[in-house]
Amino acid sequence: DGGITQSPKYLFRKEGQNVTLSCEQNLNHDAMYWYRQDPGQGLRLIYYSQIVNDFQKGDIAEGYSVSREKKESFPLTVTSAQKNPTAFYLCASSIRAGGTEAFFGQGTRLTVV
Amino acid sequence: AQSVTQLDSQVPVFEEAPVELRCNYSSSVSVYLFWYVQYPNQGLQLLLKYLSGSTLVKGINGFEAEFNKSQTSFHLRKPSVHISDTAEYFCAVSLLLDSNYQLIWGAGTKLIIKP
Repeated sequence: DGGITQSPKYLFRKEGQNVTLSCEQNLNHDAMYWYRQDPGQGLRLIYYSQIVNDFQKGDIAEGYSVSREKKESFPLTVTSAQKNPTAFYLCASSIRAGGTEAFFGQGTRLTVV
Repeated sequence: AQSVTQLDSQVPVFEEAPVELRCNYSSSVSVYLFWYVQYPNQGLQLLLKYLSGSTLVKGINGFEAEFNKSQTSFHLRKPSVHISDTAEYFCAVSLLLDSNYQLIWGAGTKLIIKP
């Protein structure tokens, strides 16, 4: 089945540690996105990539980093510089950057302990 | 500035009653419109979309929405809700601005079904 796979579903991190969230898609989509979701705040864009080897900052990129070395993979690193990393993280992809729907993974819930 | 407003943060409704979830947007350019549903601790799933053509759009699970360009609205409706419709619903707008596509999200509306 085609789709987007995020792993792990739950992740615990100690303060001061970097952590990487995985996102893989086999839909042959060019565009990929990372969103952060906090209660009552909807979705906020962290980073997006319209094509391999290219990515752009979203609205809340500080404390995060990404790479897009392969079309199917768009990992997100939450660094120790992110002040409040506890949240639900969603990865999405779309055929192209605009005018089409996005397909979402099941999310990763990150908790800092 | 472009924005999407979901007018109600929560909508309680009795089972088998009709429901309307409201979405208004602000944009000076042409838009594409989407409604997504999110069940607890899961990702978002597309309910329906408006890209062009008929302004009345039918989606999955018995939902439909109507694009009203003059009122810049895209309200979601269902004639009879079921307990399984309990979820959060997000409206989103895709538009081309300064040669870049942007996808702007509403804050979400929680649909609460009362038995």
